[in-house]
Order: sequence, then structure tokens, then C-alpha cells
Amino acid sequence: DGGITQSPKYLFRKEGQNVTLSCEQNLNHDAMYWYRQDPGQGLRLIYYSQIVNDFQKGDIAEGYSVSREKKESFPLTVTSAQKNPTAFYLCASSGRRYSNQPQHFGDGTRLSIL
Amino acid sequence: DAKTTQPPSMDCAEGRAANLPCNHSTISGNEYVYWYRQIHSQGPQYIIHGLKNNETNEMASLIITEDRKSSTLILPHATLRDTAVYYCIVRVAPAGNMLTFGGGTRLMVKP
Repeated sequence: DGGITQSPKYLFRKEGQNVTLSCEQNLNHDAMYWYRQDPGQGLRLIYYSQIVNDFQKGDIAEGYSVSREKKESFPLTVTSAQKNPTAFYLCASSGRRYSNQPQHFGDGTRLSIL
Repeated sequence: DAKTTQPPSMDCAEGRAANLPCNHSTISGNEYVYWYRQIHSQGPQYIIHGLKNNETNEMASLIITEDRKSSTLILPHATLRDTAVYYCIVRVAPAGNMLTFGGGTRLMVKP
């Protein structure tokens, strides 16, 4: 079935450690996104990519990095510079660039600090 | 993107229609209305979207007022599995597809 796969479902980070969250989609979507959700809050955009080898910062990009080497993949690295990384991370994708088509989401990765 | 206002919570009896309102009084002519829902600890699920005409799909109906300043999401026969937080989002289509999620409405479907 087509969809968005995020892994792992749960992740623990030690102080000073970088961790990478995986996001893969087989929907042939051009655009991909990373959001962060804190308890009881809405979603905030971290990074987005409209096309391979191109990405832009969202509202809260500090302490995060991304790459988009393949259309299907958009991994997010939470660096040691992100001082409050504990959150629920959601990856999304959508079809044609600059269209009104909706975003579809994965099931998320929950990151915690050891 | 236009700001939206939703009630923080609502209850609905199982089998009844759930009507979730959303105010977006500052919406502009090229902004779409999107609805998503999020069940606890899962990713948001797309429900429906529209520009100015009413829309219906297998999940729900979307009613947009003629002046487009408000809309209502209708779940025709709510089930316990419809208990979730429902988000109304208004955005311009050719704006990089970014979505801004606010607080949403927590719908509790009761037996």
C-alpha cells in the first residue's frame, strides 16, 4: 500500500548526541515536510522540501538539519544544538508543487532524552 | 494564512451527526479550507478540503458559508472511533503547501 513510513516509532537521545529520524514515502510526491508537536499543542513546521536537492527552513529550524537526495526520502537530524528535543515528530508529503492537494502524514516518531 | 477559531472541545452521541464549526473571518479569496483530525499518538489524517463550494466524501461533508467566513465539518453518523482532535486550517494553495495547525477541537463521541 502507498504511504509514508517513519522510523523508529520511539527514539532516545543522550546529551550531546545527534540522532536521525527516517521518513520514506512511496506516493511519488514531490514535496515533503517535517513538523514538531509538543504535548497539547498544534504542529510547528521545521523544514520542508518542494523538490529533490532543495529544502527551506520552517518556523523552528534551529538545531535541526535535513537532506533530500532522493524523492522518496527526507531524513531529519536532531543535533545536539537543539536544547529541547523531546517531542513528537511528524513527516508529511504532498503531490504537485504549489497545488491545493492535501498533505498526508506518517505515524510519527516520539523522541525523548535519556 | 488566515487565522482560524475553533471551540476547544465538543461532545457528540454515537450515531448522531457531529457538526464541528470553524471561524475564518479574515479568509481571502484564494485560500482553501482544510480539515484534518488526529487520534492520540498518531499522525494527522486528512479529511476534506474546499474553496467555496460544499464538498462531500466518504468521511465527511464540508459546508462553507456564502461569505466564506466560516465553515462546518459534518460527520454524518459519529462512531467512537471518531473521537479525536479536529483541526481546521486555512491556507493559500500556491504557498508551498505549508500547513499551520492551531489548537483544534477535541471531539468526544460518547456511547
